[in-house]
Amino acid sequence: AQRVTQPEKLLSVFKGAPVELKCNYSYSGSPELFWYVQYSRQRLQLLLRHISRESIKGFTADLNKGETSFHLKKPFAQEEDSAMYYCALNDDFNKFYFGSGTKLNVKP
Amino acid sequence: DTEVTQTPKHLVMGMTNKKSLKCEQHMGHRAMYWYKQKAKKPPELMFVYSYEKLSINESVPSRFSPECPNSSLLNLHLHALQPEDSALYLCASSQVSSSYNEQFFGPGTRLTVL
Repeated sequence: AQRVTQPEKLLSVFKGAPVELKCNYSYSGSPELFWYVQYSRQRLQLLLRHISRESIKGFTADLNKGETSFHLKKPFAQEEDSAMYYCALNDDFNKFYFGSGTKLNVKP
Repeated sequence: DTEVTQTPKHLVMGMTNKKSLKCEQHMGHRAMYWYKQKAKKPPELMFVYSYEKLSINESVPSRFSPECPNSSLLNLHLHALQPEDSALYLCASSQVSSSYNEQFFGPGTRLTVL
């Protein structure tokens, strides 16, 4: 069963525009949710996690249990934000489920 | 040291070869993972080790054989692979306890099977 869904394969925005990368999940327990980012030719790295409720590089994500969503948002996109973004869910058994990823392209 | 290292970076092997991928971390993490990532696809979980014991095998073919000789090292032994096994193999580590299960990823080994 697909646990994490990212409906957009590619998202293109202009620099300075707001951006929202969508993530929906299905899980019966209390999920731990993460956003990972993979810049060109770099390793996969954690961007943020729902439990810490922090803002990293201007990105925020709020867990909405009613809508089972964990969308990633940034009010003003920068060119250096161009990368592949993966939403991920950690279940109670240390298994990570990754969404299919969204490629963000920020145009100048 | 907050990095996961993987060797080799690239590996080309024939279908009859035996090779091994290596992964190392010194963050005191007691959970380690192998993932397979095909181009433009998300990582797919293969194996999970928890406290040096195999806890999850995602129905991976036996031509892939993981090994966790100690809490810092994770190996993936390869034998009689197929061309479709060509992919980026990622190692990751994390703490075992809940609440702070961020996974740290290595740079990967790019494997090509001829």
